[in-house]
Amino acid sequence: EVQLVESGGGLVQPGGSLRLSCGGSGFTFSDHYMNWVRQAPGKGLEWVGRTRNKAKGYATEYAASVKGRFTISRDDSKNSLYLQMNSLKTEDTAVYFCGREIMGNNYGTCGMDVWGQGTTVTVSS
Amino acid sequence: QSALTQPPSASGSPGQSVTISCTGTSRDVGGYNFVSWYQQHPGKAPKLMIYEVSKRPSGVPDRFSGSKSGNTASLTVSGLQADDEADYYCTSYGGSNNLVFGGGTKVTVL
Repeated sequence: EVQLVESGGGLVQPGGSLRLSCGGSGFTFSDHYMNWVRQAPGKGLEWVGRTRNKAKGYATEYAASVKGRFTISRDDSKNSLYLQMNSLKTEDTAVYFCGREIMGNNYGTCGMDVWGQGTTVTVSS
Repeated sequence: QSALTQPPSASGSPGQSVTISCTGTSRDVGGYNFVSWYQQHPGKAPKLMIYEVSKRPSGVPDRFSGSKSGNTASLTVSGLQADDEADYYCTSYGGSNNLVFGGGTKVTVL
């Protein structure tokens, strides 16, 4: 079964740090671009960022709202994706999803066809 | 990067069709064929319904179709069913290595 499972969420104080993980199974993890998307309570979806695959040099891209504070990485040997979140703000409170991107012919389509169940991050004092 | 504009709500009776619009600019929707649509039921993860404007992933019924004209993309759900009641989000590549989402549309099956 193709699946993604996130972990690492929790309660953290403003200014603190947290590292989320996303484990993939049932597919060739290394082939795919991988994304993080978040959803604040009662709000819509917001793209956080993504990492491309080895063929594209593992390049990373970020939303302006998190650039410089969040870092996305991956370990293909462990079929794992990570999101290191530093200098957390109350507005970072959200459910964080990881998403696998459908690959075209050597390019990412920006369509995410496999999602994890989400992990909740609460930033509060 | 501003969010794409979607109507907050849409509705239709069972068996009818509903179309949701997603308006951006020439820097996102109008500039690239990387528009996707997601369905999200309460408390669940999003589900990909359409990618690259009009392509359906395996397992998505052909009642769901996507299109684009200029800076506006559209998702049409034909033959509405009770389980189609959900939130729908569009997203587009926005240039500068950025993805942007719409604000979401709540579809109600009357």
